[in-house]
Amino acid sequence: GAVVSQHPSWVICKSGTSVKIECRSLDFQATTMFWYRQFPKQSLMLMATSNEGSKATYEQGVEKDKFLINHASLTLSTLTVTSAHPEDSSFYICSARDRGRGSRDTQYFGPGTRLTVL
Amino acid sequence: QKEVEQDPGPLSVPEGAIVSLNCTYSNSAFQYFMWYRQYSRKGPELLMYTYSSGNKEDGRFTAQVDKSSKYISLFIRDSQPSDSATYLCAALLGGGGNKLTFGTGTQLKVEL
Repeated sequence: GAVVSQHPSWVICKSGTSVKIECRSLDFQATTMFWYRQFPKQSLMLMATSNEGSKATYEQGVEKDKFLINHASLTLSTLTVTSAHPEDSSFYICSARDRGRGSRDTQYFGPGTRLTVL
Repeated sequence: QKEVEQDPGPLSVPEGAIVSLNCTYSNSAFQYFMWYRQYSRKGPELLMYTYSSGNKEDGRFTAQVDKSSKYISLFIRDSQPSDSATYLCAALLGGGGNKLTFGTGTQLKVEL
């Protein structure tokens, strides 16, 4: 159990375009989902926390107008990178917190999406 | 000072060795501690989850938390080449907090 999927797994886009990444919890309900960014050989950097049905909470230094997060249901959150630039190229990983079964503090991670902006 | 410190390695060991991975943390309010394994270009996979001080064992893996010294350890027995990955420790505040605080990860290579 506790499977989180992401789509797409990798994407290449031109500078100035927008890219949407989906994160789904497949076998559990996730009231809270998290979006991370990871640069090569570095740890995960939390970008934002999203709760189902409410606005995301962004970490300091993360532009909310650039990284749009929508948590429309208990199993789906999306991250849209708007007007992407080469410096946005990174590995984006989502995680979901299991709502029940005594594992409320456990986050399960998706496989990640590699974004390359040309 | 980072809230969770971890030696980035790389750490190279022969197959069958016992591996010891360690983290220290500074925030005494952390109550939950996790170890994640991350293969290259993949998302982190939860390995161990512990609450407060003590040991927890799962197969070849043992997680240890010493809150008095703010020290977290992961031991891997009979290490295998398939254990080669980056291991991330993480900590979470008590009281139902959301935000995981990660160490930088230790890169482990188990050689034949």
